Amino acid sequence: KAGVTQTPRYLIKTRGQQVTLSCSPISGHRSVSWYQQTPGQGLQFLFEYFSETQRNKGNFPGRFSGRQFSNSRSEMNVSTLELGDSALYLCASSPGRTGNTIYFGEGSWLTVV
Amino acid sequence: DAKTTQPTSMDCAEGRAANLPCNHSTISGNEYVYWYRQIHSQGPQYIIHGLKNNETNEMASLIITEDRKSSTLILPHATLRDTAVYYCIVRGRGGADGLTFGKGTHLIIQP
Repeated sequence: KAGVTQTPRYLIKTRGQQVTLSCSPISGHRSVSWYQQTPGQGLQFLFEYFSETQRNKGNFPGRFSGRQFSNSRSEMNVSTLELGDSALYLCASSPGRTGNTIYFGEGSWLTVV
Repeated sequence: DAKTTQPTSMDCAEGRAANLPCNHSTISGNEYVYWYRQIHSQGPQYIIHGLKNNETNEMASLIITEDRKSSTLILPHATLRDTAVYYCIVRGRGGADGLTFGKGTHLIIQP
């Protein structure tokens, strides 16, 4: 069974631009969540989607948004990029029911210059 | 989610058992203990989880104290590839809960 797949793996953007990252969950998983990892703040929860609805959200500004499609695939978008948005962005999936284990992808490395 | 406390770093000799402790004194009755590890520059890898009974799988064993205020992750025969940051996380039952990561324990396996 394929794991969580994230694209692109690496990208460089300029301050002020926007970026879209993509995530394909494990087959059959309906919940997708996103995390940001930086050296200073560690791993932080961004948001979680289930059946195309955002169910939970971390403490990030509105520049960070996401969506989920009917096939459970998800995208996250960061607008008006800042240098501090440089990070590893991780997508994770789970079946979505109570107590289910969350599995992570390998992440997308974003560098903002 | 309840807060967890882990040592910042630990060393273990290759081939020996690595025992990683975690304190979660404010855990509530329906919260699970999860362990993940992250090898440099990779996504976190799920290891094991438990509620109140000890658990074992092909990767590790999880020992949870009777009062559930602490737990220990045991890697029975550590190899160099087990060098990673290990995160102990307490998670509620809700399917929408994000994981709250602390700083974890940097486990270094020495040859």
